Amino acid sequence: ETGVTQSPTHLIKTRGQQVTLRCSSQSGHNTVSWYQQALGQGPQFIFQYYREEENGRGNFPPRFSGLQFPNYSSELNVNALELDDSALYLCASSSGEIEQFFGPGTRLTVL
Amino acid sequence: ELKVEQNPLFLSMQEGKNYTIYCNYSTTSDRLYWYRQDPGKSLESLFVLLSNGAVKQEGRLMASLDTKARLSTLHITAAVHDLSATYFCAVSGVYSGGGADGLTFGKGTHLIIQP
Repeated sequence: ETGVTQSPTHLIKTRGQQVTLRCSSQSGHNTVSWYQQALGQGPQFIFQYYREEENGRGNFPPRFSGLQFPNYSSELNVNALELDDSALYLCASSSGEIEQFFGPGTRLTVL
Repeated sequence: ELKVEQNPLFLSMQEGKNYTIYCNYSTTSDRLYWYRQDPGKSLESLFVLLSNGAVKQEGRLMASLDTKARLSTLHITAAVHDLSATYFCAVSGVYSGGGADGLTFGKGTHLIIQP
């Protein structure tokens, strides 16, 4: 059974640029959630996708957007990058059951 | 707004000692999670607690849940160096859109266990 994978591992961008992060969910999981974890903080919920639709969103501006594909993989897009967007971005997949399984994360640095 | 508070935020202890991490949350929730995170790594699931009075144990870690007090504890027994990590509690919440079960995390407890 393949776990949750994310790409890329690390990424460096400059302010104002756009970035796309990718997540492949664990086999059999149809729900993907994205989290932002700033240094020294707990993860913050960005949004969740279920069957290709966004079905819940945390307190993040519209420049954070996402997609989920028919194979349940997902993308997180961030437009007009700001310095404060520098963080570890985690995705988690689940099958509608209780537990969420986290991927290794993408470390984004905005200069 | 759902809030999750952990204390202490930083804990340095010696091997062989016992200690407890506390997690308070502000509104009713039906799920309480504990995760471990090593530096630069992702989150490893430790426990999921679903009901009042639930207690789960794995090795030297034991977690409990009191839904009436909105309190969970993570107890460490006879600590060993390998347990050094940051521990997060998290609670499932309801967000705009209504359907999501995204988690609200505490700030984490940075635990250092010294020989």
